[in-house]
Amino acid sequence: EIVMTQSPATLFVAPGERATLSCRASQSVSSNLAWYQQIPGQAPRLLIYTASTRAAGIPARFSGSGSGTEFTLTISSLQSEDFAVYFCQQYDIWPPWTFGQGTKLEIK
Amino acid sequence: EVQLVESGGGLVKPGRSLRLSCTTSGFTFRDYAVSWFRQDPGKGLEWVGFIRSKGYTGTTDYSASVIGRFTISRDDSKSIAYLQMNSLEIEDTAVYYCARGRRTAVAGVKYYFDYWGQGTLVTVSS
Repeated sequence: EIVMTQSPATLFVAPGERATLSCRASQSVSSNLAWYQQIPGQAPRLLIYTASTRAAGIPARFSGSGSGTEFTLTISSLQSEDFAVYFCQQYDIWPPWTFGQGTKLEIK
Repeated sequence: EVQLVESGGGLVKPGRSLRLSCTTSGFTFRDYAVSWFRQDPGKGLEWVGFIRSKGYTGTTDYSASVIGRFTISRDDSKSIAYLQMNSLEIEDTAVYYCARGRRTAVAGVKYYFDYWGQGTLVTVSS
């Protein structure tokens, strides 16, 4: 089973600033990596797949990069609605599909 | 608009059974795989099980924590997927989500999950 590790656990960023979230896989997952946003009480929403492709309707301020074992989600200019929990998920070697433990993005 | 709606959650005693439904609309259900995930309150996400579309065998996979206890099925005529949960344990307490699986086959078959339901809470307690 591939273990996904996200850092930091909590990130404090001011509105309008850039946020950079990291995700590491315990072995290569190629580019088969997705990012999800979850607002408390809501379902996860797909932001990014194949490491860097934005899902339908996702604003351009969200971007993903990386391949192999190291991945990054960048939010270029934080809006109030972006403060949420973000999960990465690998879908290269399945089952099981595995998630990172999440990064909580909080207002600074 | 693609929609998935889970139902059937509730409070159940250890050892009992529960069946969750994932009712879908806005897409051709029979063409897609479906997966179930769960999330402990305030914690991370865990994959539970997966069912392929019948066009790709319709077979299922389960996580080690539920295999032999949980069963996923689908009714393409109703656009509904089911999660039958037997021999429930306290550790099965979670919000359960269903999600639509998107198949890619660029370098091997992969599935990611592009639409999720809002979830249904299952509480296992005596």
